[in-house]
Amino acid sequence: DQQVKQNSPSLSVQEGRISILNCDYTNSMFDYFLWYKKYPAEGPTFLISISSIKDKNEDGRFTVFLNKSAKHLSLHIVPSQPGDSAVYFCAASPRDQTGANNLFFGTGTRLTVIP
Amino acid sequence: EAGVVQSPRYKIIEKKQPVAFWCNPISGHNTLYWYRQNLGQGPELLIRYENEEAVDDSQLPKDRFSAERLKGVDSTLKIQPAELGDSAVYLCASSLRDGPAQYFGPGTRLTVL
Repeated sequence: DQQVKQNSPSLSVQEGRISILNCDYTNSMFDYFLWYKKYPAEGPTFLISISSIKDKNEDGRFTVFLNKSAKHLSLHIVPSQPGDSAVYFCAASPRDQTGANNLFFGTGTRLTVIP
Repeated sequence: EAGVVQSPRYKIIEKKQPVAFWCNPISGHNTLYWYRQNLGQGPELLIRYENEEAVDDSQLPKDRFSAERLKGVDSTLKIQPAELGDSAVYLCASSLRDGPAQYFGPGTRLTVL
């Protein structure tokens, strides 16, 4: 049962425009949400995270929005650059009583930024 | 600061053979994770260590998979015997005790023939 879903397998955007990647989740116990970027033959690279007590977190060109009532989050990249072309994974974490976290990943969205 | 180191990067074996993967986490990270990523999917957790203790191994297929983290630093994941369905990328990640971000190594791509 996929608890984190990325329904768009791919997205193409013109350089300089906004990229919006979407993610839905089903488990209301998720406490943190994270976005990772993955280049071929490399491991996922942490991009940005957001706590469930917030609805927005911004880091440079990257902004993550969280809508808890809809169980939906999105990653905005503005402006998009060719180097942003990669597979983006959404991940969610339920905090357990020890304070550590396991991550549940979506299936990824391949972003292509066209020069 | 050095990232998570994994070796080997690639491994091709015949089915029923054993295989082992090694991981060295980021210095100071108490928590270590092993994930498996199948083609077209996101990573899925196999086991999580807090120092040398395996605190969550519920997703580890214990009939053929084993892992250890001696001295609470490096870790080894073993498969014996390997099956065709074990072909995947095996990722190691580490984090500080209170996370939430986990930092991944480059992975080991395993092909079982």
